[in-house]
Amino acid sequence: KNQVEQSPQSLIILEGKNCTLQCNYTVSPFSNLRWYKQDTGRGPVSLTIMTFSENTKSNGRYTATLDADTKQSSLHITASQLSDSASYICVVRAWGGNTNAGKSTFGDGTTLTVKP
Amino acid sequence: NAGVTQTPKFQVLKTGQSMTLQCAQDMNHNSMYWYRQDPGMGLRLIYYSASEGTTDKGEVPNGYNVSRLNKREFSLRLESAAPSQTSVYFCASSEGTRNTEAFFGQGTRLTVV
Repeated sequence: KNQVEQSPQSLIILEGKNCTLQCNYTVSPFSNLRWYKQDTGRGPVSLTIMTFSENTKSNGRYTATLDADTKQSSLHITASQLSDSASYICVVRAWGGNTNAGKSTFGDGTTLTVKP
Repeated sequence: NAGVTQTPKFQVLKTGQSMTLQCAQDMNHNSMYWYRQDPGMGLRLIYYSASEGTTDKGEVPNGYNVSRLNKREFSLRLESAAPSQTSVYFCASSEGTRNTEAFFGQGTRLTVV
């Protein structure tokens, strides 16, 4: 069964500090991995999309890494800000079909709280 | 710059009542989706529409029906609401190719009492 596991479940850091969120998956065959940010009461917003051949992708202070051999991804947030407080969701899509969601598996998310 | 618009934002239903959640996107996307999100769980796919005129079941379709009214609109219907359907519902759309991102609406918080 395809699964996506995220850790930690929740994390509290001080403003200005860095942090790293983890995503391990068993989805196969692999097509792509996406990280989303979901603010409280809002819909998820895409941060990065990574395919098999991509090891690192950045979006401002967010840097995602992918190791397709070990089936692990991480999301590193640099110089955190209060606005980074949100849930971060890892989504892994299996090969097949021509939509994003027909074979996508969502992680439960990591809740990040940035304190002043 | 609306993106994906869902209505209503909040709804309380009594067990057995029916209702339709509306979703519209203005990005000319081919694919649209309905998810539910429950506390402590990841988003789960209810139904999706790969293109206008087609719909397919997702992971948790029981108790729901959908209609792809046209390219812009994709509605989700609860024929006889049950307390187990209390959840936050998200509509999303994407161009349809596998490596493009999905854009989400702001969600509908539904409570069935």
